[in-house]
Amino acid sequence: SQQGEEDPQALSIQEGENATMNCSYKTSINNLQWYRQNSGRGLVHLILIRSNEREKHSGRLRVTLDTSKKSSSLLITASRAADTASYFCATDAWFHGQGAQKLVFGQGTRLTINP
Amino acid sequence: ETGVTQSPTHLIKTRGQQVTLRCSSQSGHNTVSWYQQALGQGPQFIFQYYREEENGRGNFPPRFSGLQFPNYSSELNVNALELDDSALYLCASSLGVLRGQNEQFFGPGTRLTVL
Repeated sequence: SQQGEEDPQALSIQEGENATMNCSYKTSINNLQWYRQNSGRGLVHLILIRSNEREKHSGRLRVTLDTSKKSSSLLITASRAADTASYFCATDAWFHGQGAQKLVFGQGTRLTINP
Repeated sequence: ETGVTQSPTHLIKTRGQQVTLRCSSQSGHNTVSWYQQALGQGPQFIFQYYREEENGRGNFPPRFSGLQFPNYSSELNVNALELDDSALYLCASSLGVLRGQNEQFFGPGTRLTVL
């Protein structure tokens, strides 16, 4: 089962506009991460935000986290054609009694930037 | 580039066959996780290896097995392949399993097609 739910499932905007993607999750977390995936290839780590953080920036990326609502958002400002990709949020989940820490992904948002 | 490599890039097998996928983790990382990503879905956790021991397992049958070697590289083996095993298989390496150290770096993936 998937913990995170991204919204919208698909987003198409013009180059230069801002893109906002949302993620909701179900259980308490230690941190939440956002990844980008181009055309079914490997995942590229974008940003990690810890449960005690509310906002984080990295270049044109801004991530917010609201643990009371169990939600996060990813904002990409001044979008470029190269930002066309699928974006996933991932939350961590611990195995009871074990040391493993797995990532639980949503189904992703497919972002298309039109020139 | 994350420093995580996977081989082969693509693979075609028939039902009932066995397959071995390989992953070399990023230098200094002792933990490897494997994920299965079906088309249009987010990655699903298969299992994790930490210092050559399986450290946690997702909801996958026993015909999915793995190994981790002293140099922390890893293999994923799938026996008795089924059509639904067709997917992108991703490995991810990380520094450790402590809370707050779960930034995982993904390889480019192996695309497995089962006919």
